[in-house]
Parts: sequence; C-alpha cells; structure tokens
Amino acid sequence: GAGVSQSPSNKVTEKGKDVELRCDPISGHTALYWYRQSLGQGLEFLIYFQGNSAPDKSGLPSDRFSAERTGGSVSTLTIQRTQQEDSAVYLCASSLARDRDRNTEAFFGQGTRLTVV
Amino acid sequence: KQEVTQIPAALSVPEGENLVLNCSFTDSAIYNLQWFRQDPGKGLTSLLLIQSSQREQTSGRLNASLDKSSGRSTLYIAASQPGDSATYLCAVLTGGGNKLTFGTGTQLKVEL
Repeated sequence: GAGVSQSPSNKVTEKGKDVELRCDPISGHTALYWYRQSLGQGLEFLIYFQGNSAPDKSGLPSDRFSAERTGGSVSTLTIQRTQQEDSAVYLCASSLARDRDRNTEAFFGQGTRLTVV
Repeated sequence: KQEVTQIPAALSVPEGENLVLNCSFTDSAIYNLQWFRQDPGKGLTSLLLIQSSQREQTSGRLNASLDKSSGRSTLYIAASQPGDSATYLCAVLTGGGNKLTFGTGTQLKVEL
C-alpha cells in the first residue's frame, strides 16, 4: 500500500475485555514499531520488530500487552483484560531500516484510538 | 537513558513570521534525527530526516539542522502560514537502532 495502515481507527471496549489492534506496514519495510500516546502525553515506545530478529519488548507496560508480526509483515498488538488507563491512541510505524542501516525514515499510520469504558 | 526536550512547549506567531523550534537530546550516539508534525486527532507526518553524518536537511520552507556533539537540532520554518499550525515533534533513533525517542513537542499556532 501507499502508507502504513492501521485498523480499526477507533475502538470502544468494556473494561476487562481483550482487544486486537492491527498494523499493515509499508510493503518491503523490515522494521516495525508500536507506540502509545495518552491524552496530553508524549509518545511512549512499546515494541520493535526488525526482520526475523527477536523483538525488543522493553516498552510493553505489563504482561497484559503482547504483539506479534506474522511473515515479517502485518503486526497485531493485543491487550488482554483492558483497563481504563489503557485508553490512548496506539500508533504503528515502519521503516526500511535493515540490521546494519539505521539511517532511514520512519513512517507512521493514523493510529487506533482506544477507549476503555 | 536518552531524553529529548523540546522548547518552547507552545508558540503563537503571526502569519509570515520566520520561526525556530528547538530540540535537544542527552545521548549524542544517535543514528538519525527526524522531525514530524501531528495535526489534532491524526497520526504523525514525517517532515525531515537528518542522518547522523549530516548537518542539515531542507524541504521547501523547512530547514532542519543537527549538531550531534552538542545534542541539538533546530527546525526553521520560513514565512509561516496558518496551515503550519500543528504540533511538531522531534525524535532520535538510538538504543541499537531499536527505539525512536520522542520529545514532548512544540504546539505551534500561526495566526492570520
């Protein structure tokens, strides 16, 4: 596709339910990031995938959060037993950066606005 | 731990004015620095990427500079327009290339 695509664009869920957020990166991009942006806050790093390497999960806030990337392309961020503090915009980005080359641009999707009620 | 600071937090200028946004970072071992804009309720749009070996990049009315040794970058916007109103974010790539660390942004308003 032309850009990074995220779905759904908006999600309202009840506290305690599980949610899945999807990210389709730009075709051919090997690096994929998930970030979270809470109201009035900066962007918080969650997880990073690079090719077939083990993901960097150091930003995941709790074991209720997990993410996978199938076939090196589409990624799914799953939040189990959602809490009200999980309400935020979840942003996905991809870049062409390969293991030895970090000097490429990151492109972001439009985000998924998650509201836990 | 990399920390990124942006000054000012908010800025309001009349249309036509030239302006400078500042970004500073604590760890100079970066791979690149990227400037983004974010419109309310939207995702991030990439404006400029400066590689660690570069000093500046230009795109239209935008010019970004990088002084890696002092941990600073500036974004210069010439002849500002109301359409430039947005939040501007800088981000540096560090941590083995695994993490973009963002500043908290500068909220710009260009008034008619």
